[in-house]
Amino acid sequence: SQTIHQWPATLVQPVGSPLSLECTVEGTSNPNLYWYRQAAGRGLQLLFYSVGIGQISSEVPQNLSASRPQDRQFILSSKKLLLSDSGFYLCAWSRDLAYEQYFGPGTRLTVT
Amino acid sequence: AQSVTQPDIHITVSEGASLELRCNYSYGATPYLFWYVQSPGQGLQLLLKYFSGDTLVQGIKGFEAEFKRSQSSFNLRKPSVHWSDAAEYFCAVGADQAGTALIFGKGTTLSVSS
Repeated sequence: SQTIHQWPATLVQPVGSPLSLECTVEGTSNPNLYWYRQAAGRGLQLLFYSVGIGQISSEVPQNLSASRPQDRQFILSSKKLLLSDSGFYLCAWSRDLAYEQYFGPGTRLTVT
Repeated sequence: AQSVTQPDIHITVSEGASLELRCNYSYGATPYLFWYVQSPGQGLQLLLKYFSGDTLVQGIKGFEAEFKRSQSSFNLRKPSVHWSDAAEYFCAVGADQAGTALIFGKGTTLSVSS
């Protein structure tokens, strides 16, 4: 069976500090991978998705970047965090862009 | 491009009462449709999905949804709500060969009163 991991589970970072969130998937190959953000009281915002190693599509221009160094690893980064980067970050995978996505447990990021 | 609307931001239902959460989509062809549930502080869990065939789809936790092409709807139902069903529910639409990721609705928060 497939499993998706995210870490850390929670993170408190000062404004201007860097960020690295990691997501890994087990039990499947060539997954599509996604990063979402949920701000308080808002829905899901798709940030990035990837259909293969080194292939990143950005949905919203902002202070964040994503990388996929390995087939089942997806990393979300920032060089300098803003207060507005606070939120709940979710990673997901799917077999096809149009098919169901399976979500990780999320990372709660608070920028102070 | 596809889109999805969940008209109700917040719904309160008494425990034991029936539930219907609305979802409307926009897409020129037959879409793929999904319902997810999210408990506070957790990731989303897939409740059910529709690709083709029988328009009444059964899911986990006693939920079902019905695809109505004429109404462009995919409403989620449960005959008797339990307090543990209190959560946020998201509808999503996918479009084969569109080259785009799933589009999620903004969600409906379900509260269950005793």
